[in-house]
Amino acid sequence: KAGVTQTPRYLIKTRGQQVTLSCSPISGHRSVSWYQQTPGQGLQFLFEYFSETQRNKGNFPGRFSGRQFSNSRSEMNVSTLELGDSALYLCASSLLLAGNTGELFFGEGSRLTVL
Amino acid sequence: AQKVTQAQTEISVVEKEDVTLDCVYETRDTTYYLFWYKQPPSGELVFLIRRNSFDEQNEISGRYSWNFQKSTSSFNFTITASQVVDSAVYFCALSEAGIQGAQKLVFGQGTRLTINP
Repeated sequence: KAGVTQTPRYLIKTRGQQVTLSCSPISGHRSVSWYQQTPGQGLQFLFEYFSETQRNKGNFPGRFSGRQFSNSRSEMNVSTLELGDSALYLCASSLLLAGNTGELFFGEGSRLTVL
Repeated sequence: AQKVTQAQTEISVVEKEDVTLDCVYETRDTTYYLFWYKQPPSGELVFLIRRNSFDEQNEISGRYSWNFQKSTSSFNFTITASQVVDSAVYFCALSEAGIQGAQKLVFGQGTRLTINP
């Protein structure tokens, strides 16, 4: 069973640019969550999508956005990049069934460096 | 607001020693979930355990064991007879109960565990 796949794994951007990261969840998983990991702030929740709808959002500015497609694949976008956006962006998927709390399965992340 | 504190930033032990990673949490919810994840150098977070707030029974899985004490809001993780492969960053996390809230984890700052041969 394939795990959560994130692309690209590494990328370098300059300030002011925008970036799009992609996440393919485990087959059958309909919930996709995104997390940002930095040395200073640690792991922080960005947002969660289920059936193409954003159900939960963390405390990040509007420059951070995402979407989910009908096949459950998800993308997140960061516009007008700042140096502080340099981070490892982790995607997680979960299988949500009645009575199931939705254990999160994480991908290896996309490491973004902003210069 | 929910908060998770892992006071130990780094721990270094010699192989075969036992090691305990501490986790203290804060929440106003009466029902919640606690987790431990392992992050090897490759980056992905590997799920280790989930504990429901109503279930205070300790759990053992091989060399791993978890001690959940609601009275002290702690959920500590012990590795017995540590091995070099246990070297990683370990995260404790907390989430609301319910399908929707359970996807929003609040993580501690992590404990970097190094097992020396």
